[in-house]
Amino acid sequence: DVKVTQSSRYLVKRTGEKVFLECVQDMDHENMFWYRQDPGLGLRLIYFSYDVKMKEKGDIPEGYSVSREKKERFSLILESASTNQTSMYLCASSGDPLNTEAFFGQGTRLTVV
Amino acid sequence: GENVEQHPSTLSVQEGDSAVIKCTYSDSASNYFPWYKQELGKGPQLIIDIRSNVGEKKDQRIAVTLNKTAKHFSLHITETQPEDSAVYFCAASIESYQKVTFGTGTKLQVIP
Repeated sequence: DVKVTQSSRYLVKRTGEKVFLECVQDMDHENMFWYRQDPGLGLRLIYFSYDVKMKEKGDIPEGYSVSREKKERFSLILESASTNQTSMYLCASSGDPLNTEAFFGQGTRLTVV
Repeated sequence: GENVEQHPSTLSVQEGDSAVIKCTYSDSASNYFPWYKQELGKGPQLIIDIRSNVGEKKDQRIAVTLNKTAKHFSLHITETQPEDSAVYFCAASIESYQKVTFGTGTKLQVIP
């Protein structure tokens, strides 16, 4: 089974802190994604990557950056955390060149205080 | 860009009844429409998908329909069971392009 693992289930950070959310997948997938999930807003794409060291902005990239130094690992970085970044963050990966099934991690609930 | 609208936001049905969730999309180039189920405390998981070259697809108690002309697609769950209770997301994308746009989700509650 494909496994997408996010490093933390829950995080509490202070405003202004630099925050790293880590995601690792074990199926050699080319594509990796970061979404945030908020009630009533669904899943919104922050950034995605289709290859090592390649990245593209999603719909809501402001305040975030990403890093993909290795194929299996995709990191989301909040340069200076703010309270409006309190959310559930979901990482996903897909390997099919026709962009079919995405496999999600269990999510990281981030609270910025 | 693509915009996907999903209705209703919440849905309660009695066990054994059917549930229908509807979505519309805006980009006529979209040709792949997956549905994901998210159980409490877990990430979303693909349950069924449909491509634009077919109008309907079934998998046991779940079916999806697609109307490309009207740009809407629906998820149908028959004989609902308590384990169907979850949040369901529709999505739309262009195959071979990585970006998928999700709807806002429907929280389905199946009452025993």
